[in-house]
Amino acid sequence: EAQVTQNPRYLITVTGKKLTVTCSQNMNHEYMSWYRQDPGLGLRQIYYSMNVEVTDKGDVPEGYKVSRKEKRNFPLILESPSPNQTSLYFCASSLSRTSTEQFFGPGTRLTVL
Amino acid sequence: SQQGEEDPQALSIQEGENATMNCSYKTSINNLQWYRQNSGRGLVHLILIRSNEREKHSGRLRVTLDTSKKSSSLLITASRAADTASYFCATSNQGAQKLVFGQGTRLTINP
Repeated sequence: EAQVTQNPRYLITVTGKKLTVTCSQNMNHEYMSWYRQDPGLGLRQIYYSMNVEVTDKGDVPEGYKVSRKEKRNFPLILESPSPNQTSLYFCASSLSRTSTEQFFGPGTRLTVL
Repeated sequence: SQQGEEDPQALSIQEGENATMNCSYKTSINNLQWYRQNSGRGLVHLILIRSNEREKHSGRLRVTLDTSKKSSSLLITASRAADTASYFCATSNQGAQKLVFGQGTRLTINP
C-alpha cells in the first residue's frame, strides 16, 4: 500500500531533550516536506527536500533540523525542544515539488513540557 | 507567508444540501489544490486545478478557478455526514518550491 508513515504518533517530552520524528514513504517520491499545524495558524512548512542530499528551509525552520540521506526517509530532528514547538506535525511527499498532489502522513502530536 | 485564505472559516449545513467554500490568493499561481482533513488526521488530496483551467469535476466535487479574481471555489453537492471535515486550499506559485496552505474551512454536516 502506497503510504507515508510517521513515528511516533504521539510524544510527550521535556524541554531540551533531543528527539527525532521519523518519516518514510514507499512511493519513490523525490519531494518530501515537513509541516506543523497550529490552531489559528494553519499549516506552515518547516523544511523540504527536493531529492537526496538536497534540503531547504520552509517558513518556520528555527529549532529544527532535517536530513535526506535516502530517498524514502526524511527525519525531523529537534535538538533542544522548547514548549513553543508543541504542535501537530505532518510529513508529506510528492512525485515532484508542487505540480502533483502531496501525500500526507498521519501526523505526530508533540507536547514539550 | 500564508497565501490562500478560505471563506467561510466555518460552515454548518444539513445533510443533502450543497456546501460551497471559497479560497482567495494573492500572487500568480501554477495550480491550486484542495485537501480534506478529518479531525487530527493527515490531509487527503481532493482535486488539483491548473492555472489554465476554469472548472474541474470529481464525483460530487466541483472546483472553479478565476485567475482574474485570484479566487477558487469548492462545491460539494448532496453533502453527507462523512463530508464533515476541514477543507484547505493550497497554492503553488510560479517558480516556488512549495505549497502554501490557507487556514481552512471547518465544514459540519448535520444529519
